[in-house]
Amino acid sequence: QLVESGGGLVQPGGSLRLSCAASGFTFSSYSMNWVRQAPGKGLEWVSFISSSTSTIYYADSVKGRFTISRDYAKNSLSLQMNSLRVEDTAVYYCARDPGPYDSVYWYFDLWGRGTLVTVSS
Amino acid sequence: EIVLTQSPGTLSLSPGERATLSCRASQGVSGTYLAWYQQRPGQAPRLLIYGTSSRATGIPDRFSGSGSGTDFTLTISRLEPEDFAVYSCQQYGSPPLTFGGGTKVEIK
Repeated sequence: QLVESGGGLVQPGGSLRLSCAASGFTFSSYSMNWVRQAPGKGLEWVSFISSSTSTIYYADSVKGRFTISRDYAKNSLSLQMNSLRVEDTAVYYCARDPGPYDSVYWYFDLWGRGTLVTVSS
Repeated sequence: EIVLTQSPGTLSLSPGERATLSCRASQGVSGTYLAWYQQRPGQAPRLLIYGTSSRATGIPDRFSGSGSGTDFTLTISRLEPEDFAVYSCQQYGSPPLTFGGGTKVEIK
């Protein structure tokens, strides 16, 4: 399973670090993603990191402000969010790509329940 | 970027009825690279369909997907109480991958 944490209320321009704890599967074998959903809106892909960490992608909307990383020892995925904007307000989900090792399928077969990030003054 | 438009926004049906959900793309989706997800309130999204028509592990056969090009459909043959939820489509044929806005299936 995947369990996100670290969400909360932050002022515009502030920072927040989200974490996602993985269990029940071999975390190091899978690429991982962050996907978010603003209130009343559809899902939006945010960032990708390959199983080997050799490949990282970001949505244009967060490029230069967010940093994705993973810790194999802790079976954990992270998202460091800086220079937060009101439009970053959303539930953030971590999601697994089912492709083994560095094969990437680009859909998501395992999701967490999400953590809410609210950016407001 | 490919924009996915889902219709209707809300579908009001009774248990046992058939649900037909539409996902229309602003341009052709490469290959069969379309997936469907179910979201129940407070729960993790759940993968239902990938590759337009392949059911994910453990998904009952009352769920089926079809389509090609710009028009895709998710069909639930007979609604069970646990099927009342929000359904979203996702294309992954052309970067950036994108999602539709969702269709809510509610109890009539």
